[in-house]
Amino acid sequence: DTAVSQTPKYLVTQMGNDKSIKCEQNLGHDTMYWYKQDSKKFLKIMFSYNNKELIINETVPNRFSPKSPDKAHLNLHINSLELGDSAVYFCASSQDRSHYGYTFGSGTRLTVV
Amino acid sequence: GENVEQHPSTLSVQEGDSAVIKCTYSDSASNYFPWYKQELGKGPQLIIDIRSNVGEKKDQRIAVTLNKTAKHFSLHITETQPEDSAVYFCAANLNAGGTSYGKLTFGQGTILTVHP
Repeated sequence: DTAVSQTPKYLVTQMGNDKSIKCEQNLGHDTMYWYKQDSKKFLKIMFSYNNKELIINETVPNRFSPKSPDKAHLNLHINSLELGDSAVYFCASSQDRSHYGYTFGSGTRLTVV
Repeated sequence: GENVEQHPSTLSVQEGDSAVIKCTYSDSASNYFPWYKQELGKGPQLIIDIRSNVGEKKDQRIAVTLNKTAKHFSLHITETQPEDSAVYFCAANLNAGGTSYGKLTFGQGTILTVHP
């Protein structure tokens, strides 16, 4: 049973399209995150939700919109995709906002062509 | 905001040798310092962590040391094996004004290659 699962694993799409990535955790954690990993492997936080409430919203284009229907799910919707959005997107969860032992998903490799 | 610098960016060792990766952080309020290992095609996996009330922590062949005064911490891997080859990330939490934001800032990563 995968602790943090993301779908899809790979996503290839054309510029201008809208796409969504889904994440689910079965660990009972309160806090979930989206991180972006660029081609140089740099990991940068995008968003964090604590029990469905947005608590971190980094400087991310507003084409990116997270949604958390419940504390076990965190989705990422991206509008009007651009070439520069190509990256690996990781979902992660932690017990709560004070416990930083993240469990990461296996990532979604997004390629915009 | 928090800034975490990690060195070296690549590290190549022979099997059985030790490997050391170093990180410095900027936010003196940070109090949690984890290390993650990322294998090809996978997400980062927590391998060891240390809190600021501890100077050293060991788990079998891996250890982490923390110098709060100098604001740096290091990962030590002894008796390296080929399966230790991966990208390693250090991180530090943002803990501004006593409020925990649940946010980790990561270093740039170190590609460790262990040659048999």
